[in-house]
Amino acid sequence: DAGVIQSPRHEVTEMGQEVTLRCKPISGHDYLFWYRQTMMRGLELLIYFNNNVPIDDSGMPEDRFSAKMPNASFSTLKIQPSEPRDSAVYFCASSVKGDPYFGPGTRLTVT
Amino acid sequence: KQEVTQIPAALSVPEGENLVLNCSFTDSAIYNLQWFRQDPGKGLTSLLLIQSSQREQTSGRLNASLDKSSGRSTLYIAASQPGDSATYLCAVRRPSGTYKYIFGTGTRLKVLA
Repeated sequence: DAGVIQSPRHEVTEMGQEVTLRCKPISGHDYLFWYRQTMMRGLELLIYFNNNVPIDDSGMPEDRFSAKMPNASFSTLKIQPSEPRDSAVYFCASSVKGDPYFGPGTRLTVT
Repeated sequence: KQEVTQIPAALSVPEGENLVLNCSFTDSAIYNLQWFRQDPGKGLTSLLLIQSSQREQTSGRLNASLDKSSGRSTLYIAASQPGDSATYLCAVRRPSGTYKYIFGTGTRLKVLA
């Protein structure tokens, strides 16, 4: 199994631009998680899905952030408009009833 | 609100030493606790998972203990090796019904050859 796949691995963008991060979960996993990691706040859960349905989005920082899961094999996290404070590593993880398997992350830099 | 703290934030030891990493949490009502390893520029890898009803779990040179009543967990690494150098994070999962994990800020370990 290829594991959780995230793209792009690195993204550099200017403030105000739209950013879309992509995730392909492990086949057969029915939970998908989006996390953000920063030096100041550590690893934070932004949102998670079960069977493509958002279950808990209480960690989404504000309306600029949105996440979708149109099918069992694909999810996106979108930031519009992006701001310098959104710079972080964004991880996607998937699981079957619990233990999350993490992807390699997308390092986002907003200048 | 659940808070997870890890001490020390960083640790440097010579190869071969046994070492203990600490994790404390403020709310003892947890479903399970998990220890992860994170290598630079990579995602997290699960090392050990302890259910709330368990006291410890072992895998090779790693042993994790859980004391729910005192809100503490320790990760014991025996005979440390340079390949153990990484950041170690603990995470607690809230009681059944949610898959939300709360992570500690991690301990950055360096094992010197």
